Amino acid sequence: DIQMTQSPSTLSASVGDRVTITCRASQSISSWLAWYQQIPGKAPNLLIYKASSLEGGVPSRFSGSGSGTEFALTISSLQPDDFATYYCQQYSIYPITFGQGTRLEIK
Amino acid sequence: EVQLVESGGGLVQPGGSLRLSCAASGFNLGSYWMGWVRQAPGEGLQWVANINPDGSERYYVDSVRGRFTISRDNAENSLYLQMNSLRAEDTAVYYCARIGIAAAGDYDYWGQGTLVPVSS
Repeated sequence: DIQMTQSPSTLSASVGDRVTITCRASQSISSWLAWYQQIPGKAPNLLIYKASSLEGGVPSRFSGSGSGTEFALTISSLQPDDFATYYCQQYSIYPITFGQGTRLEIK
Repeated sequence: EVQLVESGGGLVQPGGSLRLSCAASGFNLGSYWMGWVRQAPGEGLQWVANINPDGSERYYVDSVRGRFTISRDNAENSLYLQMNSLRAEDTAVYYCARIGIAAAGDYDYWGQGTLVPVSS
């Protein structure tokens, strides 16, 4: 199975900050990577697919980069609604696997 | 508007069975791969199963293979997850999710989830 490792596990930041979350795959997944945002008590919401494609309706302050085994999600200027948990997901081969999550907290 | 609404969750004893349903609306279910993803209380996301548009291809995580069955009825706009021989470690919120039209594997729409506690 492909293991997805996110870092950091928890990130404290302030409104207006630029933040980056990284995701590392245990083997190459090309660009078959998605990023999701999950607010407590709610279903995950797709932000980025195919590593760098912005899902429709998602604010442009979110961006994704990377290929192979190293990926990143960047939020250019944090807004209050962005404090949530973020997950990466690989869909290169079965079984599909998710990272353990990064909790973004208000500093 | 795309909507996915799960039902069928509830308390079940270890060894018991449960069938989850997901009612789809706002799109042609028969054109999309679909899947189930679960989340244990306080934990991260875990993929459970995927099914292709006509139901001829099904994929499962190892921990549920042989116990869970994903199926669909496109005419009824419904996705199902039959869960047998349930274990305490199957306790989770179960989400029904649609895979994007490119059929690559990213989930572009999710239901609100249904909780399945497995306990005696």
